[in-house]
Amino acid sequence: GAVVSQHPSRVICKSGTSVKIECRSLDFQATTMFWYRQFPKQSLMLMATSNEGSKATYEQGVEKDKFLINHASLTLSTLTVTSAHPEDSSFYICSARPRDRVSYEQYFGPGTRLTVT
Amino acid sequence: LAKTTQPISMDSYEGQEVNITCSHNNIATNDYITWYQQFPSQGPRFIIQGYKTKVTNEVASLFIPADRKSSTLSLPRVSLSDTAVYYCLVGFGGYGGSQGNLIFGKGTKLSVKP
Repeated sequence: GAVVSQHPSRVICKSGTSVKIECRSLDFQATTMFWYRQFPKQSLMLMATSNEGSKATYEQGVEKDKFLINHASLTLSTLTVTSAHPEDSSFYICSARPRDRVSYEQYFGPGTRLTVT
Repeated sequence: LAKTTQPISMDSYEGQEVNITCSHNNIATNDYITWYQQFPSQGPRFIIQGYKTKVTNEVASLFIPADRKSSTLSLPRVSLSDTAVYYCLVGFGGYGGSQGNLIFGKGTKLSVKP
């Protein structure tokens, strides 16, 4: 149980285009989903937190107009990188928190490797 | 800023027990301690979580002293496949909501040798 999927797993796009990444909780409902970014040999950096049906909360330094997050249902959140540039190339990982858990847990997706040329 | 401090790296041999200690001096009353494992180009995988004393599951044990200012992840009889980065995190324990976002520190890169 507690499986999170991401699609696509890998994407290459040209500079200036937009890319959408999907994050799905397959066997549980998630009121909260998180988006992280990880550069090579570095730790995960939290970008934003999204709650179903409400606007995402972005971490300091993350441009909300560039990284659009939509959490349309209890099992789906999307991250759209708008007008992508080479410096946006990174490993993007989502996670989901089950709604029925008391103690704190997050389940992570397998990640999406974005390369902007 | 990450709330935790861990050794950057550790080496071990197959079959040994590995203990990774994490410091979290400013842990809050409502914070839980959670450990994740990450292989290259994969999302982190939940290993174990605890609040106090000792927690054990099928893959690891977590030891938390009474003051909760540190915790130790214990991996019994490691194998080559346990080579990964291990992250210790503290976060709010409660129902749903946006509280207790996980802040990842640098993690501990464990290398298991034959």
